[in-house]
Amino acid sequence: DTAVSQTPKYLVTQMGNDKSIKCEQNLGHDTMYWYKQDSKKFLKIMFSYNNKELIINETVPNRFSPKSPDKAHLNLHINSLELGDSAVYFCASSQDKASGPLHFGNGTRLTVT
Amino acid sequence: AQSVTQLGSHVSVSEGALVLLRCNYSSSVPPYLFWYVQYPNQGLQLLLKYTSAATLVKGINGFEAEFKKSETSFHLTKPSAHMSDAAEYFCAVSDHGSSNTGKLIFGQGTTLQVKP
Repeated sequence: DTAVSQTPKYLVTQMGNDKSIKCEQNLGHDTMYWYKQDSKKFLKIMFSYNNKELIINETVPNRFSPKSPDKAHLNLHINSLELGDSAVYFCASSQDKASGPLHFGNGTRLTVT
Repeated sequence: AQSVTQLGSHVSVSEGALVLLRCNYSSSVPPYLFWYVQYPNQGLQLLLKYTSAATLVKGINGFEAEFKKSETSFHLTKPSAHMSDAAEYFCAVSDHGSSNTGKLIFGQGTTLQVKP
C-alpha cells in the first residue's frame, strides 16, 4: 500500500497550458504539503494544509493554486505554465502540523517546453 | 530566521568505512531537526528526527545523529557504509515556534558516494 501517492509521475507540457497534479495519502494524517525541488535538488515548501485549512502559503505565483477537498487529498493546479516551472513536485504528509513532513510521495517531474 | 548548512555537497567513502555527513543550523527557537534520504527518482524518506528529547537520535538503516547545541550541529553518522547507502541526504530544521506550521527549511543536500 502506497502511503502518499501522486499522479502523474511525469508531466510534459507546453508553455501556457494549465495542468494539475493530484496527491492522496492513506495514513490518516491531518497535514499535507507541496514541495518543489529544482534542478539543483534544492527543496522549498510551497503550501501546507492542516485539516483542509491552508496554513503555509509561501511566495508562490498566483498561477499555483492548491485545493484540498478533504484531509486525505491535496491537489495542485498550475495555470499558464512557464519554462521556470519545470521541476519535481513532491507531496508529503504528517500526523499533525508540528511534526514536519514524515512521508513523501515519489514526486511528479514536470517539464515545460 | 532559520537556516541549515550542509558542509560538503559530495562525500565519498569506501564500503565499510565511517559515514559522516555534516549539518549546522541556525534557529531563534530550540530547533526540531531532521535528516532525510532521497534515492534516485524517489521521494524523501525520513531517517531520523530530533525534537528536544535525547540528544543522540537513532534512525533507520543504522544511521544516528547527535544534537550539539554548543556547536549548533546535527551531524549524521553511520559506523559502516553499505553500497545501498549511496543517495542524496538532506538536513532540515523545522519552524515550530509561535507560528508552529511545521514548515521545514532544507539544506542544499549532500550526495553520498560509496566505493566498493
